[in-house]
Amino acid sequence: NAGVMQNPRHLVRRRGQEARLRCSPMKGHSHVYWYRQLPEEGLKFMVYLQKENIIDESGMPKERFSAEFPKEGPSILRIQQVVRGDSAAYFCASSPITGTNTEAFFGQGTRLTVV
Amino acid sequence: DAKTTQPTSMDCAEGRAANLPCNHSTISGNEYVYWYRQIHSQGPQYIIHGLKNNETNEMASLIITEDRKSSTLILPHATLRDTAVYYCIVRVATRDDKIIFGKGTRLHILP
Repeated sequence: NAGVMQNPRHLVRRRGQEARLRCSPMKGHSHVYWYRQLPEEGLKFMVYLQKENIIDESGMPKERFSAEFPKEGPSILRIQQVVRGDSAAYFCASSPITGTNTEAFFGQGTRLTVV
Repeated sequence: DAKTTQPTSMDCAEGRAANLPCNHSTISGNEYVYWYRQIHSQGPQYIIHGLKNNETNEMASLIITEDRKSSTLILPHATLRDTAVYYCIVRVATRDDKIIFGKGTRLHILP
């Protein structure tokens, strides 16, 4: 069973461009979380999604950031008009649809560098 | 905000048991204690979780006090590869509760 897959692992964008980060959850998982980690800082929650639905986006910046998790395909975190302050590691995690007592599993992250 | 308090950093000699404490005095009855770790720049790795009974798996043991206000993660025979930031998290163990990370404990395993 493959783990959570994130791509690309490294992404370089110029200021003003768009960044698209992809996350494929583990097989059988239909819930996805996105986190951001600025250099030398902790993991900050951004958004929590299930298929075709945003459950909690309380950690998302109000502008330029959006996330989706379509019925088919990976979850996408989209950053429009990137700025240098968006440079960070972005991690995705997934958890199963059913049952209690569940844990979330994380991918290896996408490292975004804005130049 | 994180609901847990952990020491900022700890050292442990290689081969010895590493005991990482965590305080969660406001934990609710339906909240579990989870531990994750992050080895330098990698994605967080799940270690173990429990509700009120002590738990053990191939990676670690989790000891939760009877009043559930604190817990200890035990790595029985620490190796250099266990050097990481360890996060203690409390959350309701259903799919609709996000994971909030605090600052964690930076564990250094000394050769």
